[in-house]
Amino acid sequence: DGGITQSPKYLFRKEGQNVTLSCEQNLNHDAMYWYRQDPGQGLRLIYYSQIVNDFQKGDIAEGYSVSREKKESFPLTVTSAQKNPTAFYLCASTPGNTYNEQFFGPGTRLTVL
Amino acid sequence: DQQVKQNSPSLSVQEGRISILNCDYTNSMFDYFLWYKKYPAEGPTFLISISSIKDKNEDGRFTVFLNKSAKHLSLHIVPSQPGDSAVYFCAASAHSGGGADGLTFGKGTHLIIQP
Repeated sequence: DGGITQSPKYLFRKEGQNVTLSCEQNLNHDAMYWYRQDPGQGLRLIYYSQIVNDFQKGDIAEGYSVSREKKESFPLTVTSAQKNPTAFYLCASTPGNTYNEQFFGPGTRLTVL
Repeated sequence: DQQVKQNSPSLSVQEGRISILNCDYTNSMFDYFLWYKKYPAEGPTFLISISSIKDKNEDGRFTVFLNKSAKHLSLHIVPSQPGDSAVYFCAASAHSGGGADGLTFGKGTHLIIQP
């Protein structure tokens, strides 16, 4: 059963701690993405990766880091430099060719206390 | 500055009638547009898309219209059903070099279908 998984669903961290959000896909998609959603806002692009070992900054990359060591995995680290980390984080993937829709995971709600 | 705008935060429609959700964009480089449906605390679900070489795309109850000269697209849902109640996001993409960059989203429109 193919899809995108994000874990955990809910995550709590103390201020000043780094935290890593997991994203795994078994769709054999080349491209993967991280978005952030805040209340009443659309999704904003944090980072994306079109192939393994390569990634690009999105619109709001400051305070975040990513890696793409495997095609299936694209973890996002929220660092202590991110000033307002509490948000709903969504991972997505697409085959990577042009004009394909992005498929989204279920999301992780991060709350920094 | 917002490149994709959904100016109606919410829309209430009676069951069985047509729902029309609107979206405007400012970036002339956008060449692919998508609509997503989202429930609270879940990931968005893809509904329908349209390439800039077309002006209409239809899939069952859902039709998307694109007016490039006005930089405007709309999603029509006919007939509207209770399960359509959700937040709908308009998204756009610019394909440079053949790859897919990230999507630019509007803020969403909360569609409420009333019985």
